Amino acid sequence: GIQVEQSPPDLILQEGANSTLRCNFSDSVNNLQWFHQNPWGQLINLFYIPSGTKQNGRLSATTVATERYSLLYISSSQTTDSGVYFCAVERNAGNNRKLIWGLGTSLAVNP
Amino acid sequence: DSGVTQTPKHLITATGQRVTLRCSPRSGDLSVYWYQQSLDQGLQFLIQYYNGEERAKGNILERFSAQQFPDLHSELNLSSLELGDSALYFCASSVGRAWGTGELFFGEGSRLTVL
Repeated sequence: GIQVEQSPPDLILQEGANSTLRCNFSDSVNNLQWFHQNPWGQLINLFYIPSGTKQNGRLSATTVATERYSLLYISSSQTTDSGVYFCAVERNAGNNRKLIWGLGTSLAVNP
Repeated sequence: DSGVTQTPKHLITATGQRVTLRCSPRSGDLSVYWYQQSLDQGLQFLIQYYNGEERAKGNILERFSAQQFPDLHSELNLSSLELGDSALYFCASSVGRAWGTGELFFGEGSRLTVL
C-alpha cells in the first residue's frame, strides 16, 4: 500500500519563527489533506490540497504531485500552533479507498 | 466549530460493557467516517458510510459495529469492551462522494475510558 512519511517527527520553535513540514508519499494520489491536532485533541482541517498551492493566513501548503511530496509552511509561529500536524493521502486507484495517515510532526512553540 | 457533532464527549465504563457513540455530520454531508486514536497506535480508520451504505472498511474489530441512519447520523457500537479499547473515537464527515474520501471535517471526539 501507499506509504506516507512526515518529517521532522518533532520540532521546537520560538514564537515568531517560521517552519516547513514535509510529507512524502509513495504513489500517485487524488486526495491529500493536512490536519492540526491541538493539545486538547481536536483535529482541525487545514488544507485539502491534492496539487498546487493554497494559503490561509499564516499557513500555506504546496503539493507537487508529480514528485510525490507536500509541504506545510507556518510563518510567524504562535503558541497556539503547538500540537501535531498530520498529512493524510488517498491513492488514485481502487474501490476500497481510504485515507492513509502519516505519523505526524509534533510541534511545540515556546513563548 | 467543524459542524460535526459527537456525543458523548467523555465516557467511562467497565470491561465487558457495551457503549454507543453518536455522530451528526455537517449539514449536507453524505459521508461519515469513524476513526480510533489510541496512544500506542495513532489514528486508525475504522469504517466509512455513504448515504446509509457501508463504503470502506478499515481495522474495525468484530466486537464493533456501525451504521448510518436515513437522517445521515451515525452510531458506532462497541461491545464486550476491553481495557485496550480505551481511546479517542472520532467521527468525520465530508461532502458526498460515492467512492473514496472527500475533504474531512472532524468532530471533537468521544473519549472512552474502560476500567
